[in-house]
Amino acid sequence: AQSVAQPEDQVNVAEGNPLTVKCTYSVSGNPYLFWYVQYPNRGLQFLLKYITGDNLVKGSYGFEAEFNKSQTSFHLKKPSALVSDSALYFCAVKEGSSNTGKLIFGQGTTLQVKP
Amino acid sequence: NAGVTQTPKFQVLKTGQSMTLQCAQDMNHNSMYWYRQDPGMGLRLIYYSASEGTTDKGEVPNGYNVSRLNKREFSLRLESAAPSQTSVYFCASSPKTGRGEKLFFGSGTQLSVL
Repeated sequence: AQSVAQPEDQVNVAEGNPLTVKCTYSVSGNPYLFWYVQYPNRGLQFLLKYITGDNLVKGSYGFEAEFNKSQTSFHLKKPSALVSDSALYFCAVKEGSSNTGKLIFGQGTTLQVKP
Repeated sequence: NAGVTQTPKFQVLKTGQSMTLQCAQDMNHNSMYWYRQDPGMGLRLIYYSASEGTTDKGEVPNGYNVSRLNKREFSLRLESAAPSQTSVYFCASSPKTGRGEKLFFGSGTQLSVL
């Protein structure tokens, strides 16, 4: 069965510092991995995805994520955090061989960036 | 651009009442989805529709029914609401149900069942 784990309920960083939001996954085949962000009272917005190829994926708003197959991880990173990055972040996985709509989400990590 | 529109934004029901959550997208997407979001549990898929005329169960379909009325609209019905269905409901769409398709989400419906 597919699953996603985000081990931290909340991550706190100071503005200007690098940030990392962790994600590990479990699928039976090749994974398709996604990060979404949710701002208060809004729906989720797509940030980036890994399908195949380069392990470092670049996305919106200066975010990037690194795919690590041996550690089954897909951590979200940003070199310099902004206060406006404060939001709820979701990692999601889909089995690569699946053509269904079944995207499995992690429980979410709240990112708090303090001035 | 409207994108994915959900109505209503807020709803309070009594146990046993029924209601339908409406969703419409104007992006000509083939696939549509209903998720529920609960604290500490992330988003869980209730039902999805890969294309007009088809629907399939997700992780948590019990207590819900769906209708893909046409390509634009995908509704979610609670026939007899229960307190366990108190949640935030999100509708989403994607161009197709491909492997790497990203989802476009509506702004959500906050439902409370008393």
